[in-house]
Amino acid sequence: GNSVTQMEGPVTLSEEAFLTINCTYTATGYPSLFWYVQYPGEGLQLLLKATKADDKGSNKGFEATYRKETTSFHLEKGSVQVSDSAVYFCALNYGGSQGNLIFGKGTKLSVKP
Amino acid sequence: DVKVTQSSRYLVKRTGEKVFLECVQDMDHENMFWYRQDPGLGLRLIYFSYDVKMKEKGDIPEGYSVSREKKERFSLILESASTNQTSMYLCASSLGRAPNTQYFGPGTRLTVL
Repeated sequence: GNSVTQMEGPVTLSEEAFLTINCTYTATGYPSLFWYVQYPGEGLQLLLKATKADDKGSNKGFEATYRKETTSFHLEKGSVQVSDSAVYFCALNYGGSQGNLIFGKGTKLSVKP
Repeated sequence: DVKVTQSSRYLVKRTGEKVFLECVQDMDHENMFWYRQDPGLGLRLIYFSYDVKMKEKGDIPEGYSVSREKKERFSLILESASTNQTSMYLCASSLGRAPNTQYFGPGTRLTVL
């Protein structure tokens, strides 16, 4: 079946460090892929998305490339800030008009000054 | 910008009470969703709706019901609240076509005593 696996956290980094959060998926067909971010005490916000192979989604300095050959959608940022501390969720949409998303378990990122 | 609002940020109820959680979206989205979020378990889909008066069970519908009388409003009902329903509840909405990006409300943290 369809599933999303992302690296377990928590991840603790110093400010200006490089960030990678791994995400791999299993899906039939050609899903769309998403990264959502959840800041403390808030709901989820869309961070970026990619709808087909080799697409790169980007926003707020974060990037992720849809790699069909490795079934991956890893999140990267070159220089994290304290304000990036949050929980990050990888998700896929396996198509159809109903638009259900399958989420990974989330990765908590803490950035220290 | 899409706006999804939830009726309460925090709610405290007693065991056995009937609880209503309301969600309203202002972007004429066809699809609406209710999730609960618990530590270590990620997001789990309770119910979703892809049209007025339509509803579909998600992964964990037991103990919950929903109502969608108008397109913009999707209500989650706990018929008889129990302590194991203490959780963060998140509502989301999306258009009824790919890539089905979901937009989330701020969440309701429900405590059942």
